[in-house]
Amino acid sequence: DVKVTQSSRYLVKRTGEKVFLECVQDMDHENMFWYRQDPGLGLRLIYFSYDVKMKEKGDIPEGYSVSREKKERFSLILESASTNQTSMYLCASSLERVGRSPLHFGNGTRLTVT
Amino acid sequence: AQSVTQLGSHVSVSEGALVLLRCNYSSSVPPYLFWYVQYPNQGLQLLLKYTSAATLVKGINGFEAEFKKSETSFHLTKPSAHMSDAAEYFCAVSPDNDMRFGAGTRLTVKP
Repeated sequence: DVKVTQSSRYLVKRTGEKVFLECVQDMDHENMFWYRQDPGLGLRLIYFSYDVKMKEKGDIPEGYSVSREKKERFSLILESASTNQTSMYLCASSLERVGRSPLHFGNGTRLTVT
Repeated sequence: AQSVTQLGSHVSVSEGALVLLRCNYSSSVPPYLFWYVQYPNQGLQLLLKYTSAATLVKGINGFEAEFKKSETSFHLTKPSAHMSDAAEYFCAVSPDNDMRFGAGTRLTVKP
């Protein structure tokens, strides 16, 4: 069974801090994704990656960057955290490109920026 | 662009009653369609997916969904609700390389 592990369940950071959210998957999936989840808005795609060293912007990339140095690890970076980035962040991976196969999600990181 | 509309942000049913969660999509081409479930403090799990093999799709935990092209709908049903079905449910649509999620429907099951 695919396991997607997010390193932190809860994080509290101060405005202006640099924040790293880590995600690791154990099924050798090429494709990895970062979403944020907000009430009433569903899931919105921040960034995705179809290969090591490769990244693509999703719908809401502003204020975020990503790193994919190894196939199994996909990190989301908030360069300078702001209060409007308080949210639930979900990492996912898939065997095939988005849509052709389902996404496997981690348990999420609830980030609070004060 | 794709969009997904889930009618009703909150649905409440009694234990043993029919569950019906509505999903409509806009798509110019036949899409892939998914339902995911999210239990408290967890990520999303796949309930079922439609990939054009059959219009009625059976998923886990007794859920099923029917693809109706003429209505651009993919409603999720379960004949008899169980307390453990209380969760948030998300419909998602994807023609190719772009998965769009609905806003979610929170299901409450009353004893």
